[in-house]
Amino acid sequence: KNEVEQSPQNLTAQEGEFITINCSYSVGISALHWLQQHPGGGIVSLFMLSSGKKKHGRLIATINIQEKHSSLHITASHPRDSAVYICAATGNQFYFGTGTSLTVIP
Amino acid sequence: DVKVTQSSRYLVKRTGEKVFLECVQDMDHENMFWYRQDPGLGLRLIYFSYDVKMKEKGDIPEGYSVSREKKERFSLILESASTNQTSMYLCASSSHSRDRGHEQYFGPGTRLTVT
Repeated sequence: KNEVEQSPQNLTAQEGEFITINCSYSVGISALHWLQQHPGGGIVSLFMLSSGKKKHGRLIATINIQEKHSSLHITASHPRDSAVYICAATGNQFYFGTGTSLTVIP
Repeated sequence: DVKVTQSSRYLVKRTGEKVFLECVQDMDHENMFWYRQDPGLGLRLIYFSYDVKMKEKGDIPEGYSVSREKKERFSLILESASTNQTSMYLCASSSHSRDRGHEQYFGPGTRLTVT
């Protein structure tokens, strides 16, 4: 069962490129989270959103509740953005996507 | 800032050994979680605790047990480690008792290798 699907699984970009990671979910949710995991393991929360759009620096997250879809955008990508990005949908529990591994090449 | 710490970053154990992974949080959170993370499978919930001495099985509890004797500490126990338990183990905590969907704060992870 895959309540949360992410695409792509792997992504390589040149520094400066605009990046989009997509997340679709099939469960009813109260919030959608975007998480970032750098090599070494630790996970940090980037966004928690239940509607519309949020922006933090070069990162933008959007959600369309009707279509059950969310996107994470990175503008002017940089090698330090290289990480695994995980989408998680929360209802009465967390449903995690399998992650998107992003590599930004200088 | 919420801080979730795990006892080890890297651990190597032999098949059959008993393994303890410890997690401590300093924000008085009611909920604590243990996940394992494997390539291509993402994060999978092993056990969840919503209060001291309370626990619920997650999606993959087989081969694991947990202990929550104090609110700030949640231990994951591998009674007899096996090679298929080689994985990254992540602990997390959140507020709101019995609400598993609230924002979670993660520890740095323990990479366990069972040989």
